[in-house]
Amino acid sequence: NAGVTQTPKFQVLKTGQSMTLQCAQDMNHNSMYWYRQDPGMGLRLIYYSASEGTTDKGEVPNGYNVSRLNKREFSLRLESAAPSQTSVYFCASSPTGANEKLFFGSGTQLSVL
Amino acid sequence: SQQGEEDPQALSIQEGENATMNCSYKTSINNLQWYRQNSGRGLVHLILIRSNEREKHSGRLRVTLDTSKKSSSLLITASRAADTASYFCATQEYGNKLVFGAGTILRVKS
Repeated sequence: NAGVTQTPKFQVLKTGQSMTLQCAQDMNHNSMYWYRQDPGMGLRLIYYSASEGTTDKGEVPNGYNVSRLNKREFSLRLESAAPSQTSVYFCASSPTGANEKLFFGSGTQLSVL
Repeated sequence: SQQGEEDPQALSIQEGENATMNCSYKTSINNLQWYRQNSGRGLVHLILIRSNEREKHSGRLRVTLDTSKKSSSLLITASRAADTASYFCATQEYGNKLVFGAGTILRVKS
C-alpha cells in the first residue's frame, strides 16, 4: 500500500523560480492537507482541501497556491520562490477531516537559494 | 499561531524508563492527537482522544486529557531505543484544521 506519495523528495530552487509539489493518496480520502515544517516550529498548515472541489487557506498561505486536481491528487505551487520558503513540506490526507487521524507522506525538502 | 505547546522541548532517558510529555493548548477543542516523527521521516499517528474522553491506551502508550486545564499528557512506558523520535500534539478546534505544536524530542539511551 503506497498511502500518501509526495514528489519530488528533494529540490533546490533559485529565488524567483517556480515549482509544483505533487501529492497523491490511494486511500480514497476526502480531505488533504499541505504543511510546512521549520526547525523549532512544528508543522504549520498552508492550505487544505476538505473535499474534492474545495480548498481553504491555513495559517501560512502567502506565496503558495494549491489545486485539488481530483480526489487523489492535491498539488502545491510556489509561483516565485523566496528563501523564506526553504522548508520541509508534508502532504497529508484524512478520510473525512481533522476529526480523524491524518496520514502523512514522507516529505519534500526544499531549499531556495 | 500554534495551538498546542509541548513540554519539555527535549527529554533524554535510559532504556526501560518511562517518558512523559505534556501538551497545553489555549482554546476549546474537538479532539487532540499525538504523532511521532522519526528523523527525516513523515509523521505517524499514535493516538486520538476526543474532548469527552479522559484517558486512552494503546500498547505502551497512555494519553490523558484534562479539558478544564487545557492540557494533555503522553506517557510511554518501558521505553526502547526505537522510541527515539520527536513527538507532536495536534489539536482540532471545530472545523477541518489540525494545528500542531513544536514537539518534544525524545532520546532513549541504550
